[in-house]
Amino acid sequence: DGGITQSPKYLFRKEGQNVTLSCEQNLNHDAMYWYRQDPGQGLRLIYYSQIVNDFQKGDIAEGYSVSREKKESFPLTVTSAQKNPTAFYLCASTRGSQGYGYTFGSGTRLTVV
Amino acid sequence: GESVGLHLPTLSVQEGDNSIINCAYSNSASDYFIWYKQESGKGPQFIIDIRSNMDKRQGQRVTVLLNKTVKHLSLQIAATQPGDSAVYFCAESVGGTSYGKLTFGQGTILTVHP
Repeated sequence: DGGITQSPKYLFRKEGQNVTLSCEQNLNHDAMYWYRQDPGQGLRLIYYSQIVNDFQKGDIAEGYSVSREKKESFPLTVTSAQKNPTAFYLCASTRGSQGYGYTFGSGTRLTVV
Repeated sequence: GESVGLHLPTLSVQEGDNSIINCAYSNSASDYFIWYKQESGKGPQFIIDIRSNMDKRQGQRVTVLLNKTVKHLSLQIAATQPGDSAVYFCAESVGGTSYGKLTFGQGTILTVHP
């Protein structure tokens, strides 16, 4: 079955460390996205990529970095510059211009310890 | 910046009732809207979408209504079941697709009592 896989499901980070969250899709979708969700709040866009080797900042990109070397993969690195990284991170993908809604992964819950 | 918001943060209904979840949007340029369902600890699931050239769209047990005059979107769930209990988000975008950025509302918690 096609879908989006995020790993790990839970991640713990010490202050000052960088961590990388994995997102892989086998849907042959062109565009991929990273969102952050805080308790009781909606989703906020961190970064997105519409084609390989290209990506754009979202609304809250500071302290995060991404790469898009393959169509299937869009890893997110939470750097030590992100002062409040504890959150639920969601990856999504969609077809190019077909107008279909996103498909989301199951999320990674990151906690700073 | 412009954003999507919800009138009611929580909604409690009895099993079998119809549910209506509302959403107000402020960006008059938005022309594509999606409803998502999110269960605890999971990613959002696509429910239904609608483009601005439509006023109504129906799916299985769900109907989305769009009123562009007052910038209002609603999700109607018929014969609500306990499995419908979740947080429901509306989202909007400009350009007719979700290819670019989606702006999400804060969500409405739907609780269905048996």
